Amino acid sequence: KQEVTQIPAALSVPEGENLVLNCSFTDSAIYNLQWFRQDPGKGLTSLLLIQSSQREQTSGRLNASLDKSSGRSTLYIAASQPGDSATYLCAVSTDSWGKLQFGAGTQVVVTP
Amino acid sequence: DVKVTQSSRYLVKRTGEKVFLECVQDMDHENMFWYRQDPGLGLRLIYFSYDVKMKEKGDIPEGYSVSREKKERFSLILESASTNQTSMYLCASSSPPVYGYTFGSGTRLTVV
Repeated sequence: KQEVTQIPAALSVPEGENLVLNCSFTDSAIYNLQWFRQDPGKGLTSLLLIQSSQREQTSGRLNASLDKSSGRSTLYIAASQPGDSATYLCAVSTDSWGKLQFGAGTQVVVTP
Repeated sequence: DVKVTQSSRYLVKRTGEKVFLECVQDMDHENMFWYRQDPGLGLRLIYFSYDVKMKEKGDIPEGYSVSREKKERFSLILESASTNQTSMYLCASSSPPVYGYTFGSGTRLTVV
């Protein structure tokens, strides 16, 4: 069964620093990998989706890479801001229905 | 603005009640999903549907059923609510071939 791990579980950085969030998965046969953001008590917001044939995706200050062979993805957030404080979740899809297997998330705090 | 709408933000129900959680999407997506999210356990898939009147069990279907009579609406039913079903319930939709997910804002259910 696919297992998704996110390290670290929590991270605190001063404003302006770059954030690096890690995700690893055990089965490299994935359809895609997605990164989400979740604010406390709210639903999930999609940040980036990387198809299995892609190596990376970028959106504004966010960049996500995918290395299927090693079972890893990294989310980079450049020049962090207090508004980036949230929990970031990584999820992989391993079947044609698009079902997702989620990691436990990394809780990020950006201090002013 | 495309979205997934969950009918209730907060619900409090009594043990043994039949509970309906409603979810509507306006994106004409094929697939719809119900997850629950619990501290320490992350997001777990309860049921999903890939077409009208079609449904498949997820990882934790016990105590739940679903209904999809129209493409845009996917209902989660707790046949006889129990306290261990107190949780955050998240609905999502997606569509092939990309399978990018859109989540609703969640329903916080408390069973007393």
